Amino acid sequence: EVQLVESGGGLVQPGGSLRLSCAASGLTLSSHSMNWVRQAPGKGLEWVSYISSTSSTIYYADSVKGRFTISRDNAKNSLYLQMNSLRDEDTAVYYCARSRWDVWGQGTTVTVSS
Amino acid sequence: DIVMTQSPDSLAMSLGERATINCKSSQSVLYSSNNKNYLAWYQQKPGQPPKLLIYWASTRESGVPDRFSGSGSGTDFTLTISSLQAEDVAVYYCQQYYGSPYTFGQGTKLEIK
Repeated sequence: EVQLVESGGGLVQPGGSLRLSCAASGLTLSSHSMNWVRQAPGKGLEWVSYISSTSSTIYYADSVKGRFTISRDNAKNSLYLQMNSLRDEDTAVYYCARSRWDVWGQGTTVTVSS
Repeated sequence: DIVMTQSPDSLAMSLGERATINCKSSQSVLYSSNNKNYLAWYQQKPGQPPKLLIYWASTRESGVPDRFSGSGSGTDFTLTISSLQAEDVAVYYCQQYYGSPYTFGQGTKLEIK
């Protein structure tokens, strides 16, 4: 079964950092470009970041540019999102998703609050 | 950035009725070199991740019931549910993947009347 599992979410104070992970099973991540998408409580979907299969191309939403860093370790079949200088408005469920958009994880919750 | 605007924001239909959700992009998402519209539709139920229903504007994802169909080209798109079932209660989103940022519509909440 193809599966993506996110981890690393939690409660963090404004200005703090978190590193999210997305582990793949039944899927060779090195063959696929990947994305992070988030959803604030009761709100819609917001695309956050994209990384190509070889990490040669990376994109960010303006709302996170300069604060978040997407990366991958194909040997570990994993995707990451380093989040620094966190703000209240970064509170959301964060999903990883394959760029074909057909496989999504269940999400990990990030809460930024003092 | 390409802005995606869905209408209506919410919809209440009776079981067995036809439901139609519209999505308009602020610029064309049709890539001329391959004549494909880079437009997807998702269904999201509470507490679950989005589920891909339709890609390339009109191609149904494997396993999706054939009562779901997508149409449109360029800037105007439609998701149609031909005969509404109780399990179709959800929020539906369109998304363009033509170019970064890969923007979503605001969502349409579908309920049973």
